[in-house]
Amino acid sequence: DVKVTQSSRYLVKRTGEKVFLECVQDMDHENMFWYRQDPGLGLRLIYFSYDVKMKEKGDIPEGYSVSREKKERFSLILESASTNQTSMYLCASSNVWRGGSQETQYFGPGTRLLVL
Amino acid sequence: AQKVTQAQTEISVVEKEDVTLDCVYETRDTTYYLFWYKQPPSGELVFLIRRNSFDEQNEISGRYSWNFQKSTSSFNFTITASQVVDSAVYFCALSEAGNQFYFGTGTSLTVIP
Repeated sequence: DVKVTQSSRYLVKRTGEKVFLECVQDMDHENMFWYRQDPGLGLRLIYFSYDVKMKEKGDIPEGYSVSREKKERFSLILESASTNQTSMYLCASSNVWRGGSQETQYFGPGTRLLVL
Repeated sequence: AQKVTQAQTEISVVEKEDVTLDCVYETRDTTYYLFWYKQPPSGELVFLIRRNSFDEQNEISGRYSWNFQKSTSSFNFTITASQVVDSAVYFCALSEAGNQFYFGTGTSLTVIP
């Protein structure tokens, strides 16, 4: 069974703290994604990675960085957490677009982050 | 510009009613994929369907059906005889040649018993 796991379901941090959100997939997928979800705004892409050590900025990368040292693991880092980063963070993975075919993205359960 | 538009922010229906969730997309590619996901209160997005741009056949899966019309760039989702368990946020998404997905802003469906 396909599995994307995220290190925490709920997290409370203080302004200025460095925050690590971890995501692990067991499907040997090349692509991994980090989104944030806010009411009325849907899912917004923060960063994605199509290979180990590769990363691409999404629509809202400011204030975030990522790390992909191993194929199965994609970390999102908030260098100095701020209250406007309070949100739901979703990790996803997928195979690459191959031969004109795109499979679905598989999502983790999400991490609800509260920055005080 | 928004590539995927879900104009309905919130919908409420009474149990057993039919409900249609609208999705309009924008792309210049000839090869693309459309998806629907369900996000129950637990938070995890669950994949419902994938449709490629060359297949305009409507699809039915139990109480769920999807209507894909390239002429209007729409990929609408209908739930027949809705149930309380259908209450969730539903997202439509587009994938063009490449690896990025574009999501709509979601439609929150509440089914009232």
